[in-house]
Amino acid sequence: KAGVTQTPRYLIKTRGQQVTLSCSPISGHRSVSWYQQTPGQGLQFLFEYFSETQRNKGNFPGRFSGRQFSNSRSEMNVSTLELGDSALYLCASSLVPNDYGYTFGSGTRLTVV
Amino acid sequence: GENVEQHPSTLSVQEGDSAVIKCTYSDSASNYFPWYKQELGKGPQLIIDIRSNVGEKKDQRIAVTLNKTAKHFSLHITETQPEDSAVYFCAASIGSNQFYFGTGTSLTVIP
Repeated sequence: KAGVTQTPRYLIKTRGQQVTLSCSPISGHRSVSWYQQTPGQGLQFLFEYFSETQRNKGNFPGRFSGRQFSNSRSEMNVSTLELGDSALYLCASSLVPNDYGYTFGSGTRLTVV
Repeated sequence: GENVEQHPSTLSVQEGDSAVIKCTYSDSASNYFPWYKQELGKGPQLIIDIRSNVGEKKDQRIAVTLNKTAKHFSLHITETQPEDSAVYFCAASIGSNQFYFGTGTSLTVIP
């Protein structure tokens, strides 16, 4: 079966712009989480969605937002991009929250110039 | 919040030798400890996990041990092979999908 699909795979944006990243979970998975991965900070939790509702949010500024649609697909948005937002953004899905069968996608590599 | 420390940051072993990666966590309420393998250009892949009611778990060449009293857990890979070369991450969670990750260990298996 298809895994977690993230689009696009690579993105280059200019400082001050905004960006939207997409995540399609494994079929049947209804919980989606987002992580930011950077060489300096490692993997950091952004937020988690289930049934179109944000359940948890990490320690990121309000420029980072997300949403989940009725088909469980999720998007995250970063407004007013900064150079430090350059990172690999990873999406992970599971059947329901607190379900340990947690699968990551390959990520979207965002470069801010 | 939870703080997970991981050591070493890099590890080189000869093919066939064993590799051990160690992690400590700070929050005694953490009850789930997965290990992920990340290869270049890919997302992390779950390789083994352990819950707080178990002290050890094995899956072929991979094993994880957990010491709740000392708040540390370790990944053991035996009979290492070149394809084991990757970055390994430990993580801890308190029964939610919010994982706190270690900083990663880059493992190189030398043929």
